[in-house]
Amino acid sequence: GENVEQHPSTLSVQEGDSAVIKCTYSDSASNYFPWYKQELGKGPQLIIDIRSNVGEKKDQRIAVTLNKTAKHFSLHITETQPEDSAVYFCAASINSGYSTLTFGKGTMLLVSP
Amino acid sequence: EPEVTQTPSHQVTQMGQEVILRCVPISNHLYFYWYRQILGQKVEFLVSFYNNEISEKSEIFDDQFSVERPDGSNFTLKIRSTKLEDSAMYFCASKRADNSPLHFGNGTRLTVT
Repeated sequence: GENVEQHPSTLSVQEGDSAVIKCTYSDSASNYFPWYKQELGKGPQLIIDIRSNVGEKKDQRIAVTLNKTAKHFSLHITETQPEDSAVYFCAASINSGYSTLTFGKGTMLLVSP
Repeated sequence: EPEVTQTPSHQVTQMGQEVILRCVPISNHLYFYWYRQILGQKVEFLVSFYNNEISEKSEIFDDQFSVERPDGSNFTLKIRSTKLEDSAMYFCASKRADNSPLHFGNGTRLTVT
């Protein structure tokens, strides 16, 4: 089955800096890669996703890049703000039918003012 | 914006007791899931449900677990005889179609004593 590795497990940055979180996956058939943000006491909230037919996707301060050959994808957050502090999870799946997401272990991002 | 709703937010039960965790998926969604997250660990897939039947389940989802969609809106997870190691956050999730993003509820924290 799919295995997703995520690094780093914790990341501390100063407000305004950029943050990068990296994930690798094992199943070359995976073609859908979402990123979720989980705040304390809440469920994972989808923040951005990318499909295998594109290499990069941007949404304001958030971008995701995908390298299918190397089987890795990354989340980039620019101009970080204290409210970006949360746990971020990457995931991978074959996005068809009832296919399930396999999650990474999460990265706790702390943005200091 | 429509949300996946889970009740209760916190459930405490004694070992060996049965618990039912309840979810109301987003109304026009067709695919339903349960995931769990043991404290500090990754989000793990339990079961997927489509067209009124289980479509896939993980090895965690043994005979002590069952799911049901008793009416057009609710989706429940039952644990027949709880064990200490069942203590976790349980997340319900749903998606509209096979190529759609997965939306999570805020979870039920289950504590087995």
